[in-house]
Amino acid sequence: AQKVTQAQTEISVVEKEDVTLDCVYETRDTTYYLFWYKQPPSGELVFLIRRNSFDEQNEISGRYSWNFQKSTSSFNFTITASQVVDSAVYFCALILDTGRRALTFGSGTRLQVQP
Amino acid sequence: EAGVTQFPSHSVIEKGQTVTLRCDPISGHDNLYWYRRVMGKEIKFLLHFVKESKQDESGMPNNRFLAERTGGTYSTLKVQPAELEDSGVYFCASSPLQRNYGYTFGSGTRLTVV
Repeated sequence: AQKVTQAQTEISVVEKEDVTLDCVYETRDTTYYLFWYKQPPSGELVFLIRRNSFDEQNEISGRYSWNFQKSTSSFNFTITASQVVDSAVYFCALILDTGRRALTFGSGTRLQVQP
Repeated sequence: EAGVTQFPSHSVIEKGQTVTLRCDPISGHDNLYWYRRVMGKEIKFLLHFVKESKQDESGMPNNRFLAERTGGTYSTLKVQPAELEDSGVYFCASSPLQRNYGYTFGSGTRLTVV
């Protein structure tokens, strides 16, 4: 069975600091997708990125970047120059390309960005 | 387009009572999923509908939980009778029929059983 681990329960930084959220996953399948979602105080889960297992290129979107390394089964998320609006709970998730269409989530990392 | 809508946003009920949560998916999305986050832990899958059929209900915790999706549009999740451990946030998500993993989540229903 697959598993996603987000070891950091809560992180607090000061605005403009860079912060990296860790995500480690386990699966025996070779084809899978990895996701990051953001849950702001309003409650909804906001999709940030989807990456398939065959694409190890790092991705950058504005202040957000993602580092996917199959060798260490990690899919880490970095926010550069953090802002107060980045305060949220961030979830990493995994889904296999075959079988049941259920996301396996990590337990989430709460990020507090202080002004 | 309208997103996934869930209501109520909050519900506080006493142990033993019944609660019904509702999810309205994005129009045209045949896939509908229920997930739950309990006590700050990971978000866990409950079940998956394809149109009105239950495709996978392997995550349903017990027979106190009943999900329906009559007509393949909105879905309800009933908890009867509610227990303290049912407290948590219940999320609904929908996606198109094709396997593209384009899930859209709702804001969730926070259920508190006292």
